[in-house]
Order: sequence, then C-alpha cells, then structure tokens
Amino acid sequence: AQSVSQHNHHVILSEAASLELGCNYSYGGTVNLFWYVQYPGQHLQLLLKYFSGDPLVKGIKGFEAEFIKSKFSFNLRKPSVQWSDTAEYFCAVRERGDKLIFGTGTRLQVFP
Amino acid sequence: GAGVSQSPRYKVTKRGQDVALRCDPISGHVSLYWYRQALGQGPEFLTYFNYEAQQDKSGLPNDRFSAERPEGSISTLTIQRTEQRDSAMYRCASSPGLAGLIGSYEQYFGPGTRLTVT
Repeated sequence: AQSVSQHNHHVILSEAASLELGCNYSYGGTVNLFWYVQYPGQHLQLLLKYFSGDPLVKGIKGFEAEFIKSKFSFNLRKPSVQWSDTAEYFCAVRERGDKLIFGTGTRLQVFP
Repeated sequence: GAGVSQSPRYKVTKRGQDVALRCDPISGHVSLYWYRQALGQGPEFLTYFNYEAQQDKSGLPNDRFSAERPEGSISTLTIQRTEQRDSAMYRCASSPGLAGLIGSYEQYFGPGTRLTVT
C-alpha cells in the first residue's frame, strides 16, 4: 500500500518568505496527488491536485506544486507567504477506490 | 450551496458507551468516505460508500466500528463499547463521482466530529 511522508512537521516563516513543503510517496505507477489545507477552526480544503499532464500544477491562493516522478515527490511551494497562510498542510495520494492516503501534515506558522 | 455537515461537532462519552456519528453529504454526491484523524497525524481512511453500498471497509480498526448509508445519502458511523484509544477527530467527505472509476473526483470534507472517550 501507498504511504506518504511529509518531512517538515513544523515550519515557521516571516511574511514574504518563500515556502517549500516536502512530500514523498512510496511507489510509482500512475498516481493522483493532492495537497489539502486546514486553516484554524476550519475543515480540510483542497489546495491543488495532480492527475496527469503538466507536472507543475497551480492551485488556489498562489500555491503550486511540482510532480517529479523520478523522485516520487510532490512538493508544495509559494514564492511569498502571508500571515493568512498559517495553517496545517496535508499531502495525499489517491489509492484504488479513491480513498486518500495522507501524510502526517505540516504545521505552518507565518509571523508578520 | 451547503457543504458536508457532521453532527455532533463534539462528543464526550464514557468508556464502554456506544456513539453514533452522523454525516450529511453534499446533495447529489454519490460517494461518501469516513476518515479518522488522531492528534498529530493525518487523516486515516476508514470506509467508503458508493450510493448505499459499502465498497471498502478495510480501514475499520475492529468489529466495534461499523458504518451504514441506508438511503444513499446520510451516513452513520457507529462505535460500540468505546475505548479511550477511539478518541480522535472523525472526518466525513463526499464526492460527486463514483469512487473507483477512472478519473478521480475531489473529496469535499466536513468539519469533523471531535470524539473524546473518558
């Protein structure tokens, strides 16, 4: 079965800093990959997804992620973070039947 | 439109009691999923339904856990004889397409039910 690793458990940044959160999945073949975000007090929301095609996908709020098949990676990036990006970020891979396998999450704190 | 709703939002129960957690998916969504999220972890798959049919219950931890979706809409996750290790956030998600078919659909999550077993 698939597994997902998020190596950064807690990231602290100042506003305007660049962000990159790592995500690796365990094995290859056709994969569908997702990044979800949970803002404080809110439910999980989809940031972006990769199914096929261009490996650089753009999501909401200026986020993007790059699928690198050779590295089994799907890292999340944002050139300049804002205080409002403070949240927990989860990477997920779709398994057979559409169930999602999530990583343990990365807590991002952005200070003004 | 209305999103996925879950009730109750918070549930505190004593060890040994049964609990029922409810999920009301987005209207018209055919697939429904249950996940459990322990503190400091990501959501973990429990089970899912296409319409009223339970397609995969491989993630249910043991036979104290069961789920149903009798009319293909609202779903109930029941935990019998609760134990302290059952304490977690229970999340429900729905999607408009049939799970398992080629072409994945986004899953829309509800706010979750925070279960605490004392």
